[in-house]
Amino acid sequence: DSGVTQTPKHLITATGQRVTLRCSPRSGDLSVYWYQQSLDQGLQFLIQYYNGEERAKGNILERFSAQQFPDLHSELNLSSLELGDSALYFCASSATGTVTEKLFFGSGTQLSVL
Amino acid sequence: DQQVKQNSPSLSVQEGRISILNCDYTNSMFDYFLWYKKYPAEGPTFLISISSIKDKNEDGRFTVFLNKSAKHLSLHIVPSQPGDSAVYFCAASHISGSARQLTFGSGTQLTVLP
Repeated sequence: DSGVTQTPKHLITATGQRVTLRCSPRSGDLSVYWYQQSLDQGLQFLIQYYNGEERAKGNILERFSAQQFPDLHSELNLSSLELGDSALYFCASSATGTVTEKLFFGSGTQLSVL
Repeated sequence: DQQVKQNSPSLSVQEGRISILNCDYTNSMFDYFLWYKKYPAEGPTFLISISSIKDKNEDGRFTVFLNKSAKHLSLHIVPSQPGDSAVYFCAASHISGSARQLTFGSGTQLTVLP
């Protein structure tokens, strides 16, 4: 158990809809990362937050947004969903947000857009 | 453009033998490299890392080799055990603005046969 909690584990929705993925980091970790893993693809970095502030942005679509709340949990919002958004979405956390630290990953949210 | 490539989607080895997983990168700015292991229905877990100032790092049965001139790294597992069967992701990082980002490869499925 990594200590990172992601909910829900599975999500099935239709094109055009909006969903919210939730992540609770390990106790004490200030930084949260979101990654997307599509079929046969590596993990694509989406966005990183540190202590409530956006720290780094990757290939995150404009239809996607995220935030980190004062209690350090994070939410990833995906809107106007398309079939191609179907993927496994991982959240990870680390203590201070430097990439030389180990990242601790949650078990992911499997999103299926039908 | 894939900056981190794992060209072998799968690898099978016999228990007790050596497993060699390979990874190539194209971005010469990468200065820190990691391997993560992923079991089904779980998030990736950190395995081993290496800084660009070294060419080898060892941790028990796991050794990572870095060849900077060839922009190539490899993970050696000796001896391989059935519990090592998992997907292995290579990842690399470089300073991007005020933060470091991890770029992952697409993964190699290792199967260790008893």
